[in-house]
Amino acid sequence: SQTIHQWPATLVQPVGSPLSLECTVEGTSNPNLYWYRQAAGRGLQLLFYSVGIGQISSEVPQNLSASRPQDRQFILSSKKLLLSDSGFYLCAWSTSNGVGAFFGQGTRLTVV
Amino acid sequence: KNQVEQSPQSLIILEGKNCTLQCNYTVSPFSNLRWYKQDTGRGPVSLTIMTFSENTKSNGRYTATLDADTKQSSLHITASQLSDSASYICVVSAHSGYSTLTFGKGTMLLVSP
Repeated sequence: SQTIHQWPATLVQPVGSPLSLECTVEGTSNPNLYWYRQAAGRGLQLLFYSVGIGQISSEVPQNLSASRPQDRQFILSSKKLLLSDSGFYLCAWSTSNGVGAFFGQGTRLTVV
Repeated sequence: KNQVEQSPQSLIILEGKNCTLQCNYTVSPFSNLRWYKQDTGRGPVSLTIMTFSENTKSNGRYTATLDADTKQSSLHITASQLSDSASYICVVSAHSGYSTLTFGKGTMLLVSP
């Protein structure tokens, strides 16, 4: 069966520090991968999606970046965090034809 | 532009009562529609998935309906329990060479004892 792993679960980082959140998927190949952010009391905002290795599309301009070094690995990064980067970050995957979308457990990021 | 609108934004009901959540979408070309339950601080968990040809799908006390003509979906919760308190998110998938997901902002449901 397919599983998705996202870590860490919680993270407290100072302003200006770098960020690296990792997401891996097991039990499937060539998935579509997504990074979402959910601010407190708000809906899910799509940040990046990827349809293949090295293929990243950005939905919202910001100081975050994403990379997909392997088929089932998706990384969210920042060189210098801002206070406004605080939020709940979710990684998700779907099949290439969009049937089935599953989420990781999320990372609660607090920038102080 | 693809959009998904959910209503109400929030809802409080007494334990044991039923409720219905609404989802309207303008996603094209339509592939499928999913309802998710998201507990606070957790990732969303899929409740139902419906394709164009499906009108109704049930998962325990959850029943989803889809009207592809009017582009509306509803999620009906029967005999609510305290554990149903969560955010319910409607997600519509579009075919566009690759599939993209459009999320509603969710309905926050609170089941009160």
